[in-house]
Amino acid sequence: GAGVSQSPSNKVTEKGKDVELRCDPISGHTALYWYRQSLGQGLEFLIYFQGNSAPDKSGLPSDRFSAERTGGSVSTLTIQRTQQEDSAVYLCASSPRQGAGANVLTFGAGSRLTVL
Amino acid sequence: KQEVTQIPAALSVPEGENLVLNCSFTDSAIYNLQWFRQDPGKGLTSLLLIQSSQREQTSGRLNASLDKSSGRSTLYIAASQPGDSATYLCAGPMPTGGGNKLTFGTGTQLKVEL
Repeated sequence: GAGVSQSPSNKVTEKGKDVELRCDPISGHTALYWYRQSLGQGLEFLIYFQGNSAPDKSGLPSDRFSAERTGGSVSTLTIQRTQQEDSAVYLCASSPRQGAGANVLTFGAGSRLTVL
Repeated sequence: KQEVTQIPAALSVPEGENLVLNCSFTDSAIYNLQWFRQDPGKGLTSLLLIQSSQREQTSGRLNASLDKSSGRSTLYIAASQPGDSATYLCAGPMPTGGGNKLTFGTGTQLKVEL
């Protein structure tokens, strides 16, 4: 596609429910990142996929968070048993593996999650 | 651990003014630094990427500099316009890991008034 697509754009859920957030990166981009933007805390790295390599999960805040990337393209971030502190905007970004654009991230518009 | 600080947190200027946004980082081994723009309700747009071998990068009315020794980067915006109103974020690579694992500053919210 022309850009990074994320869905849903807004999600309101009740505490304790599971949620899934989807990211469709730019076609041909092998690297995919999830970041979280919380009010007053800025952007935090969550997880990074590069091609078929094992993902770098070092930024995931707890074991309630997981992500997968199927077929090297679409990624799903899953939050189980949501808590109010999970409320944030979840941003996905992608970049090519190499070349001039390898260090430049293209971000999606984000999925705003509100946990009541 | 890389820590990134941005000053000021918010800035309001009249149209036409030149302005400077500041970014400080703690890990001087940084190999690049990026500046992004974020409009309300939208994702981030990459503005400028400065490699550690460079001192500055320019794009139109924007000029970004990088001084590794002092741990500082500045974003200079010339002849500001109302359309420049947005939040500006700087980010540096995390010390542990490759790719674009970035540590972001909390941003400077810029408002350019008519």
